[in-house]
Amino acid sequence: ETGVTQSPTHLIKTRGQQVTLRCSSQSGHNTVSWYQQALGQGPQFIFQYYREEENGRGNFPPRFSGLQFPNYSSELNVNALELDDSALYLCASSPGQGSHNEQFFGPGTRLTVL
Amino acid sequence: GNSVTQMEGPVTLSEEAFLTINCTYTATGYPSLFWYVQYPGEGLQLLLKATKADDKGSNKGFEATYRKETTSFHLEKGSVQVSDSAVYFCALSDRSAVKTGANNLFFGTGTRLTVIP
Repeated sequence: ETGVTQSPTHLIKTRGQQVTLRCSSQSGHNTVSWYQQALGQGPQFIFQYYREEENGRGNFPPRFSGLQFPNYSSELNVNALELDDSALYLCASSPGQGSHNEQFFGPGTRLTVL
Repeated sequence: GNSVTQMEGPVTLSEEAFLTINCTYTATGYPSLFWYVQYPGEGLQLLLKATKADDKGSNKGFEATYRKETTSFHLEKGSVQVSDSAVYFCALSDRSAVKTGANNLFFGTGTRLTVIP
């Protein structure tokens, strides 16, 4: 069984640019959540997708957007990058959206904004 | 709102020492509580969980008990090993958190543990 995978592993962008990060969920999982982990901090919830629709959102501005595809893989898009967007971006998949469903995390994409 | 406060690190212990990492929480609803571990260069892994008051989660020699009266979920291990060196995160999910989704996680800031031989 393949776990959660993310691409790319590392990425360097400049302020004002746009970036797309990708996540493949674990087999059988229909729910994907994205988190931002700044250096030395715990992950912060960005949003969740369940069956291709946004199902919940944390305190992130609209320039953070996402998609989920019919195969349940997902993208995180960030427009107008700011220096503070530099972080590790984690994707997590789960077999459902209920609170009993464990989230399985990918290794993350490290984004550096210069 | 929902938040988690955990003991700041870093924590350095000798092998076979006793470990406690403190975690307290604030929740508006009925949280489930978790400890996640992040080994160097790897993603977060669930270490243990507890879904209701007085439940004890345990795994790999680690334990934590859900204490509603003190809103705490402290992580303990009787004898740490060098391989336990990692960053440990306390987290909660709140099934009444309709806006953010019932199984999404609120994390503490993490505690880095280093175990020396």
